[in-house]
Amino acid sequence: EAGVVQSPRYKIIEKKQPVAFWCNPISGHNTLYWYLQNLGQGPELLIRYENEEAVDDSQLPKDRFSAERLKGVDSTLKIQPAELGDSAVYLCASGKTRYNEQFFGPGTRLTVL
Amino acid sequence: AQSVTQLDSHVSVSEGTPVLLRCNYSSSYSPSLFWYVQHPNKGLQLLLKYTSAATLVKGINGFEAEFKKSETSFHLTKPSAHMSDAAEYFCVVSLPGSSNTGKLIFGQGTTLQVKP
Repeated sequence: EAGVVQSPRYKIIEKKQPVAFWCNPISGHNTLYWYLQNLGQGPELLIRYENEEAVDDSQLPKDRFSAERLKGVDSTLKIQPAELGDSAVYLCASGKTRYNEQFFGPGTRLTVL
Repeated sequence: AQSVTQLDSHVSVSEGTPVLLRCNYSSSYSPSLFWYVQHPNKGLQLLLKYTSAATLVKGINGFEAEFKKSETSFHLTKPSAHMSDAAEYFCVVSLPGSSNTGKLIFGQGTTLQVKP
């Protein structure tokens, strides 16, 4: 069974540029999570989807961050414009439901110059 | 508020010796607790979880953890370290309430170094 797929694995951009991350969850998993992991820290939840509905986006900085999961499968997380402080690893996770184990992807490491 | 504190940012052991990674939790409710491991350039992997059943929880790769309510601790142990155990370990608590199910709060992590 394929795991959670994320792309790109690495991204380097200049500040004020837009950037997007893509996540393909494990097949059949209805719940999808985006986390932010700063260097030397544990992951922090940004947004949780149940199917195509964002059920918890309280930690998502909505002035510059947006996310979508249009068909309830793949998801995209976007930052526009990026700031220096956005440099971090962005993790995607999925689970059959929110009651089940979360499986994590390898993450996208973003560097903003 | 629910939180976890990992008491050591870095632990170094020799191969074949016991591992102890310490975690204290703060929770108003009976918590669900987890340990995750993160190897370089790989996704986080669940090692074990406690959900109010047996207080001694066995996980994968020989790891286990004991829930001690009186000490608000959930320390991770392994009798004999292997080189492949070198990684970042996270203690995690799940927020209570049906609306928060699946919402995980991660500790800051402990880096485990295993020396040959």
